[in-house]
Amino acid sequence: KAGVTQTPRYLIKTRGQQVTLSCSPISGHRSVSWYQQTPGQGLQFLFEYFSETQRNKGNFPGRFSGRQFSNSRSEMNVSTLELGDSALYLCASSFGTGSDTQYFGPGTRLTVL
Amino acid sequence: DQQVKQNSPSLSVQEGRISILNCDYTNSMFDYFLWYKKYPAEGPTFLISISSIKDKNEDGRFTVFLNKSAKHLSLHIVPSQPGDSAVYFCAAINAGGTSYGKLTFGQGTILTVHP
Repeated sequence: KAGVTQTPRYLIKTRGQQVTLSCSPISGHRSVSWYQQTPGQGLQFLFEYFSETQRNKGNFPGRFSGRQFSNSRSEMNVSTLELGDSALYLCASSFGTGSDTQYFGPGTRLTVL
Repeated sequence: DQQVKQNSPSLSVQEGRISILNCDYTNSMFDYFLWYKKYPAEGPTFLISISSIKDKNEDGRFTVFLNKSAKHLSLHIVPSQPGDSAVYFCAAINAGGTSYGKLTFGQGTILTVHP
């Protein structure tokens, strides 16, 4: 069974631009969670989608948004990029109940110049 | 507010010996715990999990122990192998509540296993 895939793997943007990252979950998984990993803050939860609905959101500004499609694929968008948005963005998929294991993709490395 | 803490940034172990990685949590609502292993430039790989109704779970060389009263869990790797060298993250979730999909992670422990 194919794992979680994320595209692109690497991205370089400049301040003020916006970016869209994509995540394809494991087949059959309906939940997708997004995380940001930085050296200073570690792994931080951004938001979770299940059946095209956002069920949970972390403490990030409104510049960070996401959506999920009917095939469970998810995208996250960051608008008006700041230098501090440089990070590894990870998505994870699961079946969607609380104790289901989340399986992570390889991540997208975003660099903001 | 660090709700999940891994107080040892690094651990060095000889091949064949036991590796013990520790994790403490403060949120009593957490009821499901996971350990992940991560290599640089890759996503975390799931290792093992434990529900709060248990105090031990084993999977091959990996065993996780949970002490709810102390809000402490540990991951034991026996025997340790050089391929186990990676960053290990402890994560927790309130599985029974409305924290849908929200894993709270510790800061990670770098494990180095020497041949």
